[in-house]
Amino acid sequence: NAGVTQTPKFRILKIGQSMTLQCTQDMNHNYMYWYRQDPGMGLKLIYYSVGAGITDKGEVPNGYNVSRSTTEDFPLRLELAAPSQTSVYFCASSYGGGVNQPQHFGDGTRLSIL
Amino acid sequence: AQKITQTQPGMFVQEKEAVTLDCTYDTSDQSYGLFWYKQPSSGEMIFLIYQGSYDEQNATEGRYSLNFQKARKSANLVISASQLGDSAMYFCAMREGQRAGNQFYFGTGTSLTVIP
Repeated sequence: NAGVTQTPKFRILKIGQSMTLQCTQDMNHNYMYWYRQDPGMGLKLIYYSVGAGITDKGEVPNGYNVSRSTTEDFPLRLELAAPSQTSVYFCASSYGGGVNQPQHFGDGTRLSIL
Repeated sequence: AQKITQTQPGMFVQEKEAVTLDCTYDTSDQSYGLFWYKQPSSGEMIFLIYQGSYDEQNATEGRYSLNFQKARKSANLVISASQLGDSAMYFCAMREGQRAGNQFYFGTGTSLTVIP
């Protein structure tokens, strides 16, 4: 069972560069999420999607963009990378929006902006 | 106000002993879910246990149990018979029923170290 797969696992970017963090899930989950985790902190929601073609902002969306053209894929785009975006990024999915639905996480992408 | 509060940045426990990790939450929803996740040093987030707001019994999953006190808005994780492999960060999270996207709110985590 692949679950939620994130690529790449590690990346170093220069200030001002752009990149896309890939996330795909094979569980046919409708809901998908992007979080960032800064050192010693909990997770903060960047963007989420409740289905293909539907996305919305979370707590910290500035500097990021997302798209959801398929159920499986939910890429996160960083435009004009800044040092403040150095973080660990997690993609997660859940079957639905019910309060009893846990989120399933990918292994994370460690991103450094230098 | 913080939705999820974990007041113990770090905890130590002797191997084979039980440990309680504290979590309090803030919501005005009647329907909500409470979750605990484990994050080992390798970084992945592992779902451990779930408690629903309407559940009358405390949730249990193997050595994990959730001490749910609704009136006090607390959802403490109890790990029995601690093992060295339990050393990790533990995050409490809540999912509310009336929010768009039903997003999760996470606490800042508790770092647990199991001492041999």
